[in-house]
Amino acid sequence: GIQVEQSPPDLILQEGANSTLRCNFSDSVNNLQWFHQNPWGQLINLFYIPSGTKQNGRLSATTVATERYSLLYISSSQTTDSGVYFCAVVDDMRFGAGTRLTVKP
Amino acid sequence: NAGVTQTPKFQVLKTGQSMTLQCAQDMNHEYMSWYRQDPGMGLRLIHYSVGAGITDQGEVPNGYNVSRSTTEDFPLRLLSAAPSQTSVYFCASSYSVVGGTEAFFGQGTRLTVV
Repeated sequence: GIQVEQSPPDLILQEGANSTLRCNFSDSVNNLQWFHQNPWGQLINLFYIPSGTKQNGRLSATTVATERYSLLYISSSQTTDSGVYFCAVVDDMRFGAGTRLTVKP
Repeated sequence: NAGVTQTPKFQVLKTGQSMTLQCAQDMNHEYMSWYRQDPGMGLRLIHYSVGAGITDQGEVPNGYNVSRSTTEDFPLRLLSAAPSQTSVYFCASSYSVVGGTEAFFGQGTRLTVV
């Protein structure tokens, strides 16, 4: 199956900082999704992004399918952004191990 | 529109007991799946279904059974619970897998086997 690797595994930011999270996948994919798991364990859909760029407020994502990676950008981070961010290859039902983000006030 | 509903939210079982985790969706999605999430890890696929009457195994199917008698429901059965099955379980649904639609997840069931 497809291998999904996320980096960095952990990230600590001061409130207001920007960050970039990366997701690499080992084969071509048709469907890629980003999720945020909040401190209460809920999985929240962020982006469904098989290719191209999407933006939603302070968050944006870019997938370059031909180069097998996706990036999630968080600008002006807030404490409520804390949690674990997962990318998932929906085709193969594979999740990365996640990036744990901690935003400090 | 409730989305994906999982019950119960929490459960404690004794080793050897059986139980069923319920999952229901009201979005008329064909594709449903079960995942488990262990501490510090991503989600791993247990079983999935591409439509009523069709199920298949995922990455970690041992110790679990599923069936799909209706489009709406996809229960996960633990036949004889073991401490290694202590985990958080998530159910997901999507309109399809191929062709690009996003997946939606339930709130999760936190299971402890003692």
